[in-house]
Amino acid sequence: AQSVTQPDIHITVSEGASLELRCNYSYGATPYLFWYVQSPGQGLQLLLKYFSGDTLVQGIKGFEAEFKRSQSSFNLRKPSVHWSDAAEYFCAVGAYNNNDMRFGAGTRLTVKP
Amino acid sequence: DTGVSQDPRHKITKRGQNVTFRCDPISEHNRLYWYRQTLGQGPEFLTYFQNEAQLEKSRLLSDRFSAERPKGSFSTLEIQRTEQGDSAMYLCASSPQTARDGYTFGSGTRLTVV
Repeated sequence: AQSVTQPDIHITVSEGASLELRCNYSYGATPYLFWYVQSPGQGLQLLLKYFSGDTLVQGIKGFEAEFKRSQSSFNLRKPSVHWSDAAEYFCAVGAYNNNDMRFGAGTRLTVKP
Repeated sequence: DTGVSQDPRHKITKRGQNVTFRCDPISEHNRLYWYRQTLGQGPEFLTYFQNEAQLEKSRLLSDRFSAERPKGSFSTLEIQRTEQGDSAMYLCASSPQTARDGYTFGSGTRLTVV
């Protein structure tokens, strides 16, 4: 079955600084890849997705991610972080038909003023 | 349509009691999913429905757990004889048949077993 690893449990960045959150997946074929964000006590909101085509995908709130097949990675980036970006970020992978999407353990982002 | 709705938002129950949660998906979505999320972890897949048919169940879904989607619309998740280890956020999501655009999640039901 597919799986996801998010190596960083917690990241702290200063407001205005750039951000990169790492995600590595395991799946034998081309996966469906997603990044979600979760604020405390809330559900998950989709930031962006990839399933084919251009390997650099744009999402909401100024986020982007790049699919690198050779590295089995799908890292999330933002050029300038805002205080409102503080939240938990989850990378997820879906296999063919995407009927049981699997999530990583998440990366908690803290933004310093 | 206001998205995926879950009820209740919070539930506190005594160990050994039964609880039932409800999920109303986006009306045009024929797929519905249940996930469980414990503190500091990502959501873990529990089960998946396509219309009224339950097509996949995780081994996490013990015999005490049962999920239904009787008319292919709303779904219920029941936990019998609750244990403290069942304390978690239970998330429901839905998607169209082509799920490559990801799932839409509800706000979840927070269960606390005391």
